[in-house]
Amino acid sequence: GAGVSQSPRYKVTKRGQDVALRCDPISGHVSLYWYRQALGQGPEFLTYFNYEAQQDKSGLPNDRFSAERPEGSISTLTIQRTEQRDSAMYRCASSLDSGRYEQYFGPGTRLTVT
Amino acid sequence: AQTVTQSQPEMSVQEAETVTLSCTYDTSESDYYLFWYKQPPSRQMILVIRQEAYKQQNATENRFSVNFQKAAKSFSLKISDSQLGDAAMYFCAYVAGGTSYGKLTFGQGTILTVHP
Repeated sequence: GAGVSQSPRYKVTKRGQDVALRCDPISGHVSLYWYRQALGQGPEFLTYFNYEAQQDKSGLPNDRFSAERPEGSISTLTIQRTEQRDSAMYRCASSLDSGRYEQYFGPGTRLTVT
Repeated sequence: AQTVTQSQPEMSVQEAETVTLSCTYDTSESDYYLFWYKQPPSRQMILVIRQEAYKQQNATENRFSVNFQKAAKSFSLKISDSQLGDAAMYFCAYVAGGTSYGKLTFGQGTILTVHP
């Protein structure tokens, strides 16, 4: 079946604008995760969901970042009033269930804030 | 807090030979899982292999195998018969059981170069 998909793949935005990044997990996967990856480093956890419930948002850097998964499938990560330091690769992953199963990653969204 | 350390920023290997990438982790949990992910130049994240902490037997996936030393908190990846397509950045990752389910903690990565 299809893997995790993310859109857009690339996003260039001006400082101060809001952006919404979308993730469509593997069909049937209960858990969905968001990570942020700087160039040359490993991904860093942002938040995750089981079904529509946000279980952990401890990795969100500040209140400009939010995420939702209203119907337990597609998720949106929103960054308000973007800043240059928000530039990074944003990755989504899904797993059959949280923790005990491997996480499968999407291709990522490369965000550049100018 | 759990930490994952990859002490080799870069490694190289000749095609068809064997290379081992190192990873150590720090945790007070008894229930956890360890993974190796591969990130080729395309920057996709590809799961290579996983190991459950409660299993003593080392995981194997074709040319990829791990050496899991639970007491030493060590989790190395061995790639046998290296191929040009193995060239990538490799990340070791940890996830704990219990209430912190879901949060993968990654190491800093090791860049693997494969020479023809």
